[in-house]
Amino acid sequence: GAVVSQHPSWVICKSGTSVKIECRSLDFQATTMFWYRQFPKQSLMLMATSNEGSKATYEQGVEKDKFLINHASLTLSTLTVTSAHPEDSSFYICSASGRPPGELFFGEGSRLTVL
Amino acid sequence: AQTVTQSQPEMSVQEAETVTLSCTYDTSESDYYLFWYKQPPSRQMILVIRQEAYKQQNATENRFSVNFQKAAKSFSLKISDSQLGDAAMYFCAYFGNEKLTFGTGTRLTIIP
Repeated sequence: GAVVSQHPSWVICKSGTSVKIECRSLDFQATTMFWYRQFPKQSLMLMATSNEGSKATYEQGVEKDKFLINHASLTLSTLTVTSAHPEDSSFYICSASGRPPGELFFGEGSRLTVL
Repeated sequence: AQTVTQSQPEMSVQEAETVTLSCTYDTSESDYYLFWYKQPPSRQMILVIRQEAYKQQNATENRFSVNFQKAAKSFSLKISDSQLGDAAMYFCAYFGNEKLTFGTGTRLTIIP
């Protein structure tokens, strides 16, 4: 099946720094990628929808200036957490939309810990 | 906005027995997809089963089957012959209008 790779899988950073997480579709072109956030023992919450070549669409309550999303190509989307703070510590998961319609493939997730 | 409700935070089942996980959703759309995902401790999301709303026939994948009631907006997952490897968090999800919305999840425990 299709593969989506996320990198890094684990990152620790100091408060105030920025962290970039990459999401790549390895064997298919993903016109749409989704970014989710998951707190411990909770569900996945959609943060934003990323379309190749256009601005991301953010869900209500998600700060677009804090969570910068770039989808520069059909195989790569990046999420940058700017000026990270301890409350941004979470598990971030990306998914990519492939074929058939409604088929979504998930990355392995990235655990962010902000000290 | 679409909402997905899983009313069972935790379920347990004896190994080799059958268990059903409940899911209801709310939507005004007629064309959409429904999914059940499994999330083991590794946290990798694994697709269990997929149902297109326009299909009346319930989807099945080996030991996994669904009971899709479109009018009632219900989408339950039945796991037959439960195995120890089935232990995980199970999320029901709705895909419509280019967006995937998850339920709150059900933690399934398998009793040996």
